[in-house]
Amino acid sequence: DAGVIQSPRHEVTEMGQEVTLRCKPISGHNSLFWYRQTMMRGLELLIYFNNNVPIDDSGMPEDRFSAKMPNASFSTLKIQPSEPRDSAVYFCASSLGSGNTEAFFGQGTRLTVV
Amino acid sequence: AQKVTQAQTEISVVEKEDVTLDCVYETRDTTYYLFWYKQPPSGELVFLIRRNSFDEQNEISGRYSWNFQKSTSSFNFTITASQVVDSAVYFCALGALNSGGSNYKLTFGKGTLLTVNP
Repeated sequence: DAGVIQSPRHEVTEMGQEVTLRCKPISGHNSLFWYRQTMMRGLELLIYFNNNVPIDDSGMPEDRFSAKMPNASFSTLKIQPSEPRDSAVYFCASSLGSGNTEAFFGQGTRLTVV
Repeated sequence: AQKVTQAQTEISVVEKEDVTLDCVYETRDTTYYLFWYKQPPSGELVFLIRRNSFDEQNEISGRYSWNFQKSTSSFNFTITASQVVDSAVYFCALGALNSGGSNYKLTFGKGTLLTVNP
């Protein structure tokens, strides 16, 4: 299996622009997670889906952030409008269960908002 | 609420030393899962181990070993005879039921940066 695939790997955008991060989970996994990693706050869970349904989005920082999972093989995380404080590495992960099995991570998207 | 505490922010050792990374967790659940992940300088997160709350047997895998102590809510990770390639950030994580009680939520600690010097 190819593992969790994220795109793009790097994104530099100007403040105010819309940013869309993409994720393809491992085939057969029914849970998908979006995490954000910064030096100050570590790894933060933003949202997770179970069987394409959002289960817990309490970690989404603001209304500027939204996530969708239209089918079992694709998810997006959108930031609109982006701000410099959104600069971070965003990880997508998938697992067979939502927290009782190991999650496998993509390589991350490094987002820089200038 | 569930919480994972990795009190050691950074550890520096010399190659071949043994090193233990501490992890303390909090949860009200009786069924939960504990994990360790490694994040090398290249940035990816690599799964190392999973334990469930009913299995307190310690585990050894090569130079790695894990000590699960339910009485102290700890799940510590020891690297024996450390090597330079072990240099990474190590994360402990807890999988426990979310507030709705319907799904498990995976919560990470802040991580411990391990530097192994030659």
